Amino acid sequence: GDSVTQMEGPVTLSEEAFLTINCTYTATGYPSLFWYVQYPGEGLQLLLKATKADDKGSNKGFEATYRKETTSFHLEKGSVQVSDSAVYFCALGDPPNAGGTSYGKLTFGQGTILTVHP
Amino acid sequence: DVKVTQSSRYLVKRTGEKVFLECVQDMDHENMFWYRQDPGLGLRLIYFSYDVKMKEKGDIPEGYSVSREKKERFSLILESASTNQTSMYLCASSLYRAVEAFFGQGTRLTVV
Repeated sequence: GDSVTQMEGPVTLSEEAFLTINCTYTATGYPSLFWYVQYPGEGLQLLLKATKADDKGSNKGFEATYRKETTSFHLEKGSVQVSDSAVYFCALGDPPNAGGTSYGKLTFGQGTILTVHP
Repeated sequence: DVKVTQSSRYLVKRTGEKVFLECVQDMDHENMFWYRQDPGLGLRLIYFSYDVKMKEKGDIPEGYSVSREKKERFSLILESASTNQTSMYLCASSLYRAVEAFFGQGTRLTVV
């Protein structure tokens, strides 16, 4: 079955440091890929997405590129802020069926806790 | 903005109780989901529904059931709560052709 593997955490960085959180996946077909973020005490918010190979998703300074050849979707940010402290989840979505319908089921990685210190 | 609202942020229930977790979305989404979040395990899908009165098992349905009598509302039911169901429960919704889901704020359930 489909699966997502994220780098082990937690990750602790100083403000303005470079961030990489690795994510690799196993899936049949051509799934969409997502990064979700969960701030303390809140639900999940979509951070960025990519729906096909070589797409780059970006938002709030974060980027990730859909690499089909390496089955990866690594999250990067050039300069993190204290406000980026959160849990980050990589996820893949079930691809549309022959009729173009997707149920939108998501398969998640285990999550990576990021703490950024001033 | 899409709003997915879960009825409770925190719940404490006793072992053996029947527990209802309610979720309402206001964007006329066809798909609705219940996930369970545990440290080190990420989110796991319990059940989902793609239409009123339709439901499908996810990866960990044992000990749970669901109800979707109206399009906007999706309920998760713990028939007889057990301590191993202590967890964070997250509801989500999406359009039937969409690739992204919108999440509620979560319900932290403690079974004692």
